Amino acid sequence: AQSVTQLDSHVSVSEGTPVLLRCNYSSSYSPSLFWYVQHPNKGLQLLLKYTSAATLVKGINGFEAEFKKSETSFHLTKPSAHMSDAAEYFCVVSANNAGNMLTFGGGTRLMVKP
Amino acid sequence: DGGITQSPKYLFRKEGQNVTLSCEQNLNHDAMYWYRQDPGQGLRLIYYSQIVNDFQKGDIAEGYSVSREKKESFPLTVTSAQKNPTAFYLCASSTTTVANTIYFGEGSWLTVV
Repeated sequence: AQSVTQLDSHVSVSEGTPVLLRCNYSSSYSPSLFWYVQHPNKGLQLLLKYTSAATLVKGINGFEAEFKKSETSFHLTKPSAHMSDAAEYFCVVSANNAGNMLTFGGGTRLMVKP
Repeated sequence: DGGITQSPKYLFRKEGQNVTLSCEQNLNHDAMYWYRQDPGQGLRLIYYSQIVNDFQKGDIAEGYSVSREKKESFPLTVTSAQKNPTAFYLCASSTTTVANTIYFGEGSWLTVV
């Protein structure tokens, strides 16, 4: 069994300040982890993924995430927020014995203030 | 352009009516998926298919049906048995390699009127 918990349903930051979106997971098997972004009324776009290589993963648009097995976390960060980063973010886990069956977190809405 | 095309973008259903949402991909992916998203919530898996002419129920399959007659196409029918169908529906596809990336379409809004 696997599950994902996004610890904040809403995060608000000012433009130019750092972003931290928190994600904890549980999985019976070695997991792959993903972050997706969704803009209003749009599909999901992959930001980055972890698949048992380097624990610090760099993605698109300046985002990165660090896989910490001891803490079962996969938090998403960005040094400086931009207005265009305002969107919904989903942390996703896929157990490596379960093909491509994904389990989604509940999402975190990021708001960026000017 | 390679990608996933969903249609229509907006659809209205009357009570007791069946409606079908289209999903086509030209990525040559073997696996296709349908997810439902309710406002402010994450995604829930309705059905998935990993090969032509075969599909499996996801977590919330009741009231829905699918077919997979062609590799490129995976239409979803929302039947009258689905009591609360108003939602955003997302189609996705991937290769069947473990932990490969899943790509999503732009979604379809279904509203019951």
